[in-house]
Amino acid sequence: DGGITQSPKYLFRKEGQNVTLSCEQNLNHDAMYWYRQDPGQGLRLIYYSQIVNDFQKGDIAEGYSVSREKKESFPLTVTSAQKNPTAFYLCASSIGRDRGNTEAFFGQGTRLTVV
Amino acid sequence: AQTVTQSQPEMSVQEAETVTLSCTYDTSESDYYLFWYKQPPSRQMILVIRQEAYKQQNATENRFSVNFQKAAKSFSLKISDSQLGDAAMYFCAYRVRIQGAQKLVFGQGTRLTINP
Repeated sequence: DGGITQSPKYLFRKEGQNVTLSCEQNLNHDAMYWYRQDPGQGLRLIYYSQIVNDFQKGDIAEGYSVSREKKESFPLTVTSAQKNPTAFYLCASSIGRDRGNTEAFFGQGTRLTVV
Repeated sequence: AQTVTQSQPEMSVQEAETVTLSCTYDTSESDYYLFWYKQPPSRQMILVIRQEAYKQQNATENRFSVNFQKAAKSFSLKISDSQLGDAAMYFCAYRVRIQGAQKLVFGQGTRLTINP
């Protein structure tokens, strides 16, 4: 089945460590996104990408990094520079066209906890 | 900057009644898309309805409809005949192409409670 997969579902990290969250899609979508969601809050955009080897900072990119080496994959690294990384992280993808069925599809999310 | 504002952190409605969730957005672009997403306790994001900015007609999907006021930059969601399964967080979202890339921005969300 086509879809977008995030792994792992739960992730624990020690302070000072970098950690990478995986996001893979088999929908042949061009655009991919990473969001952070804090309890009871909205989705805040971290990074987004339209094509391979190109990505843009969102509203809260500090302390995060991404890569887009393959169309299907958009991993997010939470670095030690991120002061408050404990949150729920959502990955999404969309076709990337300006017309037509252009909704974003979301993964199941990764819950990151710093211990 | 592109921002989306949902001014109602929480709303409640009696089952079978109608409720309207508010959303405003800030943009200087003329071509964009607007969406309402629902997030139940499972945290899975579910598309409720979409609206293309170039279309004047308000979108409708069964019990869900929008009131799109482009000049006012307003995009409210009306839920008719509310059902218990409608209880969730609702997010308004705005998508626009900037420098060749699609940017998708969400509001803070409105938690909707359905009272039986």
